[in-house]
Amino acid sequence: DGGITQSPKYLFRKEGQNVTLSCEQNLNHDAMYWYRQDPGQGLRLIYYSQIVNDFQKGDIAEGYSVSREKKESFPLTVTSAQKNPTAFYLCASSTDRDLSGGYTFGSGTRLTVV
Amino acid sequence: GDSVTQMEGPVTLSEEAFLTINCTYTATGYPSLFWYVQYPGEGLQLLLKATKADDKGSNKGFEATYRKETTSFHLEKGSVQVSDSAVYFCALSLDTGRRALTFGSGTRLQVQP
Repeated sequence: DGGITQSPKYLFRKEGQNVTLSCEQNLNHDAMYWYRQDPGQGLRLIYYSQIVNDFQKGDIAEGYSVSREKKESFPLTVTSAQKNPTAFYLCASSTDRDLSGGYTFGSGTRLTVV
Repeated sequence: GDSVTQMEGPVTLSEEAFLTINCTYTATGYPSLFWYVQYPGEGLQLLLKATKADDKGSNKGFEATYRKETTSFHLEKGSVQVSDSAVYFCALSLDTGRRALTFGSGTRLQVQP
């Protein structure tokens, strides 16, 4: 079955440490996205990519980095510069040509600073 | 900029009650509109969508009508079940500008038996 796989489901980060969240899709979608969700809040866009080797900052890109070397993969690195990284991170994908179909989401990664 | 406003929750209903969750939007063009549902600890699932004015999206007993004149896309269900307890997100997309969905803040629905 086609879908998006996020891993790990739970991740713990120590202060000053970089961590990378994995997102892989086998839907042949062109576009991929990373959102952050905080308790009781909506989704805020971190980064998005419409094509391989290209990506754009969203609303809260500071302290995060991404790469898009393959169509199937869009990993997110939470760097030590992100001062409040504890949150639920959601990856999504879509066909780029037409967003009227909406997104397919992964099941999320919960990141906690310890 | 483009934005989506949802009614604040939680919305608490008894089983078989009628549900309405309000959603209004601000957009510079003619957006596509979506409702997503999120169960605890999971990602979001597309519930229904509408791509043009007066379209009605429907799925699993939920429905919403794209009202251009009131810039609204309210979610309704005639008889809720305990299993409908979740967080519901309204969202929009545009074919111009930033090519990413804009989400509302979400509305938590709690259905009591």
